[in-house]
Amino acid sequence: GAVVSQHPSRVICKSGTSVKIECRSLDFQATTMFWYRQFPKKSLMLMATSNEGSKATYEQGVEKDKFLINHASLTLSTLTVTSAHPEDSSFYICSARLGGRETQYFGPGTRLLVL
Amino acid sequence: TQLLEQSPQFLSIQEGENLTVYCNSSSVFSSLQWYRQEPGEGPVLLVTVVTGGEVKKLKRLTFQFGDARKDSSLHITAAQPGDTGLYLCAGGKNSGGSNYKLTFGKGTLLTVNP
Repeated sequence: GAVVSQHPSRVICKSGTSVKIECRSLDFQATTMFWYRQFPKKSLMLMATSNEGSKATYEQGVEKDKFLINHASLTLSTLTVTSAHPEDSSFYICSARLGGRETQYFGPGTRLLVL
Repeated sequence: TQLLEQSPQFLSIQEGENLTVYCNSSSVFSSLQWYRQEPGEGPVLLVTVVTGGEVKKLKRLTFQFGDARKDSSLHITAAQPGDTGLYLCAGGKNSGGSNYKLTFGKGTLLTVNP
């Protein structure tokens, strides 16, 4: 159990376009989902915490208007990178937490390349 | 900001050797989680420890949570090439609702050579 999926797994887009990444908890309801960014051979950097039905909480230095997060249901959160630029190229990973539990379960990640 | 110091950052060993990875902090965590990540994939949970002094074993991997819940270690016995990967420790602090977060260590990139 505790499977989290992400879609797409890879995306290449032109500079200036927007890209939406979906994160789904497949076999449990996730009260909280998290979005991370990871650079090659580095650790995970938390971008924002998303609670179902409420606004996301962004970490310091993360632009809310650039990284739009929507958590419309207990099994789906989306991250939209608006007006993407080459410096937004990265590995984006989501995780989901079942309410009351300590553990986060991670998705397989989405590789974004902005040309 | 809660800092979680993970060491060593890089480790290259021969098959059959033992190794230990450490995570230390000045903060108390309600839980400590260890993940293993392969290139191009998401982190996979290895273990969650929640009780001070807790020891958990997963085949050749032994995880320990410090008595004060500020530090943890991962010990691998007789490492194999399949153990190669990025090992991440993460401390959880639950303040309720949206305040729950995982603080990640910088990771240990382990290479086990045949």
